[in-house]
Amino acid sequence: NAGVTQTPKFRVLKTGQSMTLLCAQDMNHEYMYWYRQDPGMGLRLIHYSVGEGTTAKGEVPDGYNVSRLKKQNFLLGLESAAPSQTSVYFCASSYSDSYGYTFGSGTRLTVV
Amino acid sequence: QKEVEQDPGPLSVPEGAIVSLNCTYSNSAFQYFMWYRQYSRKGPELLMYTYSSGNKEDGRFTAQVDKSSKYISLFIRDSQPSDSATYLCASAGSSNTGKLIFGQGTTLQVKP
Repeated sequence: NAGVTQTPKFRVLKTGQSMTLLCAQDMNHEYMYWYRQDPGMGLRLIHYSVGEGTTAKGEVPDGYNVSRLKKQNFLLGLESAAPSQTSVYFCASSYSDSYGYTFGSGTRLTVV
Repeated sequence: QKEVEQDPGPLSVPEGAIVSLNCTYSNSAFQYFMWYRQYSRKGPELLMYTYSSGNKEDGRFTAQVDKSSKYISLFIRDSQPSDSATYLCASAGSSNTGKLIFGQGTTLQVKP
C-alpha cells in the first residue's frame, strides 16, 4: 500500500543537464499533478493530467514537460535545467470527482 | 494577487492553546475548501475537507468557511507539540478538473 511514490528523493544537477522525475501511484487515481514548492510561494502547479494519455499546463509550466503513458505513472522532465528550477517537487493524485489529493514525499532538486 | 492568501507566520503558541489559522480567497467560483498539514521534509497530507459554507469538525480540528466574506479558517483545540507543522489551505472551483489552488502555508510551532 505505497500510495504515491516519487523517485529520486534528492538530486543535484548542473545547469543545462536534463533529468526525469518519476511519480507512481497504486490507487487507480485518474488525476495526477506535479507541483513545485518554494519558500514564500507555496505550492504551484506545473502540469497535470486528467487521465492516461492526457496532459495540461498549470500555473508555471515553462521549462518542464510531462508524459502520462500509463495511468499509474506521471513523468516530469527538465530538458535543460536552470538554477531557477531549484525547488522541492511534489507529485499528487486524486479521483476525478474528489479533491482529496494524495501527495508523494517530494524530490529535492538543486541546480548548480 | 494570489487567488488564495495565507499569512506565512510563523505562529508560536504554548501547548494547550487554541490555534486559529486563516485564509482568504478571491474567486467566487470556489466551492471546495481543504486544509493540508505538512511536516518538515514531508509531503502535505489532507486534514480537513469542506464543501461550500459551514463548519466541519473532526476531533480537535474544526474547519470553517464563510463564502460571504471569502474567509477560510482552521481551529485547533488543545494544541499539542505534535501539531507543529505547516498548514496549507486550498480551494477549487466546480470545473471538475481537480485543480487546487494553495495558499502559501502557515508555520505553526506548539511549545511544550
